[in-house]
Amino acid sequence: QKEVEQNSGPLSVPEGAIASLNCTYSDRGSQSFFWYRQYSGKSPELIMFIYSNGDKEDGRFTAQLNKASQYVSLLIRDSQPSDSATYLCAVTGPARQLTFGSGTQLTVLP
Amino acid sequence: DGGITQSPKYLFRKEGQNVTLSCEQNLNHDAMYWYRQDPGQGLRLIYYSQIVNDFQKGDIAEGYSVSREKKESFPLTVTSAQKNPTAFYLCASSIDSSGSGGGADTQYFGPGTRLTVL
Repeated sequence: QKEVEQNSGPLSVPEGAIASLNCTYSDRGSQSFFWYRQYSGKSPELIMFIYSNGDKEDGRFTAQLNKASQYVSLLIRDSQPSDSATYLCAVTGPARQLTFGSGTQLTVLP
Repeated sequence: DGGITQSPKYLFRKEGQNVTLSCEQNLNHDAMYWYRQDPGQGLRLIYYSQIVNDFQKGDIAEGYSVSREKKESFPLTVTSAQKNPTAFYLCASSIDSSGSGGGADTQYFGPGTRLTVL
């Protein structure tokens, strides 16, 4: 079982819709959870992080964490074509270093 | 203007050659990291350093070496022992690497170096 798993997609949503990205992790001791966005050929850029169970909102983005079920999700409201990218989930692993999922490719259709 | 810089942007290596990738940060971060990304893959940790003059192997350290002589700099050498070095190399830094959920472990990335073996 991979330490961090994401649906690789591609996930397509129409412009203005809500995009939902999911991530599960295996280490129950993980305490830090991150979402990064990566455009093709570019480096990852931080969208947001979450540490506590529940929801955390930042603009059009909402991260949701459920430690009991070991999943973290990212919702993007009012999706725009500029949101088309690969979204990477990252979780602190057993050695307290980040472990990344392989990413979900999102396409927002105009 | 704070940030992380990597150079060169593109690098070509011949068989049997060692090459060094530069990573510099002026964010006053203690921790620095090197990752490798292959097409369609997530990031894999090569080496990390929590403090000057100290570094630890990550998941795929074989064929790579690093040094941390200054807080601002964490160069990565890809040696001839690395048999499949063609990849996108990313350097990152964070305030620390505690992983304790306090925010200081948030990693920020440089623009990357794309290495190709000829």
